[in-house]
Amino acid sequence: DVKVTQSSRYLVKRTGEKVFLECVQDMDHENMFWYRQDPGLGLRLIYFSYDVKMKEKGDIPEGYSVSREKKERFSLILESASTNQTSMYLCASSSPRGGRPQETQYFGPGTRLLVL
Amino acid sequence: DAKTTQPNSMESNEEEPVHLPCNHSTISGTDYIHWYRQLPSQGPEYVIHGLTSNVNNRMASLAIAEDRKSSTLILHRATLRDAAVYYCILRPPLGNTGKLIFGQGTTLQVKP
Repeated sequence: DVKVTQSSRYLVKRTGEKVFLECVQDMDHENMFWYRQDPGLGLRLIYFSYDVKMKEKGDIPEGYSVSREKKERFSLILESASTNQTSMYLCASSSPRGGRPQETQYFGPGTRLLVL
Repeated sequence: DAKTTQPNSMESNEEEPVHLPCNHSTISGTDYIHWYRQLPSQGPEYVIHGLTSNVNNRMASLAIAEDRKSSTLILHRATLRDAAVYYCILRPPLGNTGKLIFGQGTTLQVKP
């Protein structure tokens, strides 16, 4: 079974802190994604990556950056956390590189981040 | 991106079949229809997908209308564990970023 793990289930940070959210997948998938999920807004794509050291902006990249130094790991970075970044963050992975319309994405359990 | 429309919520009794509808009247000829579900406090999980023909797997069945403007996810015997938000998603052909566009989904409540 594909496993996508996220470093924390719950996280509390203060405004202005630098926050790292880590995601690891164990199926050698090329594609990795970071979404955030908010009530009434559904899931929105923040960043994605098709390969090591590759990154592409999603729909809402402002205030975030990412890092993909190894194939299995995709990190989301909040350079200076703000209260409007309080959300559920979901990581996903898939294969093959670039995706196909019939490919499926595998999600991690999510990190619920609260910024005070 | 083609949009989908789903009812906000549905109720079912345990061990009865559930039919979850999805309208996608602007679907293109090459869009795949995917269904995901999200259990409480978990990330979404894949359920099933199809293009034109009806599909079955161990979790559910997918019935696709002949004109492809709608589809129905069928849970043959709902269990309490099936209570979740169900998302109907269209996947365009290669060339898309690969991202999934989630709508609001249908919240399924299963009563014992």
